[in-house]
Amino acid sequence: QSVLTQPASVSGSLGQSITISCTGSIHDVNVYNYVSWYQQHPGKAPKLIIYNISNRPSGISTRFSGSKSGNTASLTISGLQAEDEADYYCSSYTNSGALEGVFGGGTRLTVL
Amino acid sequence: QVQLVQSGADVKKPGASVKVSCKASGYTFTTYYVHWVRQAPGQGLEWMGIINPVGGSTTYAQKFQGRITMTRDTTTSTVHMELSRLISEDTAVYYCARGGSQFLEWLFDNWGQGTLVTVST
Repeated sequence: QSVLTQPASVSGSLGQSITISCTGSIHDVNVYNYVSWYQQHPGKAPKLIIYNISNRPSGISTRFSGSKSGNTASLTISGLQAEDEADYYCSSYTNSGALEGVFGGGTRLTVL
Repeated sequence: QVQLVQSGADVKKPGASVKVSCKASGYTFTTYYVHWVRQAPGQGLEWMGIINPVGGSTTYAQKFQGRITMTRDTTTSTVHMELSRLISEDTAVYYCARGGSQFLEWLFDNWGQGTLVTVST
């Protein structure tokens, strides 16, 4: 069971917007601003799309945005495109006794 | 451009050890931390640990304490991850990933191509 909780799947139609949540606790998401998001296509390595809650690396589309409220971080993808269909993972670190990196269980995005 | 190139796939028997290498290029090796992350077949990502390429200090996930060793070679810009006492549940793709320039700058901005380690009799 992952420390960070994500929905197993979400779906949206081409051109629409979707939001993926990532719920943690006072030991991770709530107190640290180092929440990041990764996109992974089948058979490929993950790719960083959001870091420090809401920052986009160079080359990442502005259609991807991130936010945080309390224990929950969110990834929003606007103007869905077919190539957005992938698995998405959130990550942070947790300090509940020992400092460790943690990931969400992953969310499969289906573009209809 | 930043590149992390990992060693090739490996097959090990239960109880054995495996060592995966990750050679960095395209940036100053000693400037950024390096993490190891694994992914079992059909499963999610799992953080294993982090190494400081300057002094070689490490922090490991509690789950792997006593079984994992991360080292680095600054002369070849290479990081190694060795996992011992392998069991079938260790079958996974192992990734190295570049972290931030500070320990708590928690992100993985460049990833290796992954190394499949299969544990089987």
